[in-house]
Parts: sequence; C-alpha cells; structure tokens
Amino acid sequence: NAGVTQTPKFQVLKTGQSMTLQCAQDMNHNSMYWYRQDPGMGLRLIYYSASEGTTDKGEVPNGYNVSRLNKREFSLRLESAAPSQTSVYFCASSERAAELLAKNIQYFGAGTRLSVL
Amino acid sequence: AQSVAQPEDQVNVAEGNPLTVKCTYSVSGNPYLFWYVQYPNRGLQFLLKYITGDNLVKGSYGFEAEFNKSQTSFHLKKPSALVSDSALYFCVGGGKSTFGDGTTLTVKP
Repeated sequence: NAGVTQTPKFQVLKTGQSMTLQCAQDMNHNSMYWYRQDPGMGLRLIYYSASEGTTDKGEVPNGYNVSRLNKREFSLRLESAAPSQTSVYFCASSERAAELLAKNIQYFGAGTRLSVL
Repeated sequence: AQSVAQPEDQVNVAEGNPLTVKCTYSVSGNPYLFWYVQYPNRGLQFLLKYITGDNLVKGSYGFEAEFNKSQTSFHLKKPSALVSDSALYFCVGGGKSTFGDGTTLTVKP
C-alpha cells in the first residue's frame, strides 16, 4: 500500500531555477493538497484540488503553480525559486471533495525537503 | 473561518505518566477538529477527529481527545505515555485545514 508518494525526497536549487514536485496517490481520492512546513510553524496550505479538473489557492500561493494532471496526480511547480521557498513540502489527499473538505481525513506523503541557495 | 492555537511549544512527561497536549479553537458555526502526529522525517498521520456527537473521541495508539465547547478546547490525552509517543503533534481545524503551530512531546524513560 503506497498511499501518497512524493518525488523527489530532497532537492537543492539555485535562486531563479525552476522545478516541479510530483505527487501521486493510489487511494482513488478526490481531493489533493500541497502544504509547506517551516520550523516552528504548522503546515500552511499552498494550493488544493477539490476534485479532478479544479484547483484553488490556499493560504500561501504566491510563487507557486499547480496542475491536477488526473485523479491520481497533483504537481507543484516553482517557476523561479527564491530562498524564501526553502521548506519541507507535503502533499496530501482525502476521499471527499468540495464542501466536505472540512470533515476530511487527510493522508500525507513523506515530504520533499527543498533548499534554495 | 476557523483557527486553532496550541499554547505549548513543548511538553515533557515521564514514561507511564498521563499526558495532555492542549489545543484551543475559534470558529463560527460547527467546529471540525483533528489531531495529527508527525514522527521525525515522516509525513503526518491522522490520530482522531471530532465532527459531532460524543465529546470524548477515541483514536489511534491509545490517544483520546476531549471536546469542550464552553472552554473552546480540544485537548489530546493519553492515560500512560510511552517513549515511542515522542513526536510533533498538530491540532487542525477544518475548512481549509488550519494547522496549529505544533507541540513537541518528549516522553522520558
């Protein structure tokens, strides 16, 4: 049972470089999420996708773009990386969509540790 | 809108003693509240949730949480702590998943 798989696990970028973080889930979940985790802070929602074909901004969307490629996959792209984007990024998924987001149990990947120099 | 707060950055307890990790919430309407645990270098794992119903919610690994509407609290508890419970614990409010800042629990042998 793979659950939520994130790639890569680690990445070092130079300022201005671009990259895409990949996330896939095998639980047939409708909703997927991207968070960042910074020291001393809880997770902050970057973007989410309530269902296939839809994406919405979360709390901290600036500097990021997302693509819900299909029901399984949800990618996060940094077009021009900045040192402020150094963080640990988590992808999550949940079974239900739309207005039921508030009641969802989320299942998390192991994270991608990103450093921007 | 919903927000949660975890007033303690760190909680230290001795193995075998009861533990409490505190969470307070602010919400308009019905609260949806969760506890998640994060072990070092791992993703978060769901422990338990409150949607409606009984104020005492039982979850994984022997944890439970008490929902108190008058005190707007949702504290995580366990009667007897284990060293393996040492981890980072997050209280989460529903909606767009508002996370508390986390509480590091250390259980000493």
